[in-house]
Amino acid sequence: ETGVTQSPTHLIKTRGQQVTLRCSSQSGHNTVSWYQQALGQGPQFIFQYYREEENGRGNFPPRFSGLQFPNYSSELNVNALELDDSALYLCASSFSVGTYEQYFGPGTRLTVT
Amino acid sequence: DQQVKQNSPSLSVQEGRISILNCDYTNSMFDYFLWYKKYPAEGPTFLISISSIKDKNEDGRFTVFLNKSAKHLSLHIVPSQPGDSAVYFCAASSNSGYALNFGKGTSLLVTP
Repeated sequence: ETGVTQSPTHLIKTRGQQVTLRCSSQSGHNTVSWYQQALGQGPQFIFQYYREEENGRGNFPPRFSGLQFPNYSSELNVNALELDDSALYLCASSFSVGTYEQYFGPGTRLTVT
Repeated sequence: DQQVKQNSPSLSVQEGRISILNCDYTNSMFDYFLWYKKYPAEGPTFLISISSIKDKNEDGRFTVFLNKSAKHLSLHIVPSQPGDSAVYFCAASSNSGYALNFGKGTSLLVTP
């Protein structure tokens, strides 16, 4: 059974740029959620995707957007990067929408300078 | 506003003893609670969960207790092992089942 994978591992971007992060869900899982973890904080929910549609969204501005593909993999896009966007971005997959247990990937460390 | 609170940033326990990690929540709509463990440079790993219709759930050395009236849950690890040293996150969800609301974590150190 393949776990959640994310790419890239680390990324450095300049303020104002755009970034795309990628996630492959665990095999058998059709729902993907994205979280932002700032230093010293717990993960914060960004949004969830199910059947290629956004299923729910946390308190993040529209410049955070996502996609889910037919194979259930997902992308997180962030436009107009700000310094405060520097964080660990975690992708989590779950068996289906409404399943509480979510399984996390190793994350992508984004640094905005 | 932080709806899930872990008020102890760190905890140190001797190997073989019990580790008790605490978590409080404010949202009475939460009906499912989870604990995750996180090692440096890795994503959180799911440990154990509990539904609000239960007050206890056990899995090996890990037991989670839920006190709904106090809006409090705790994770007990018995016996504690050095490999348990990690950051532990408490998370909660409402019946929408999509967003996990996390606390800030408690760093557990188990010393030999």
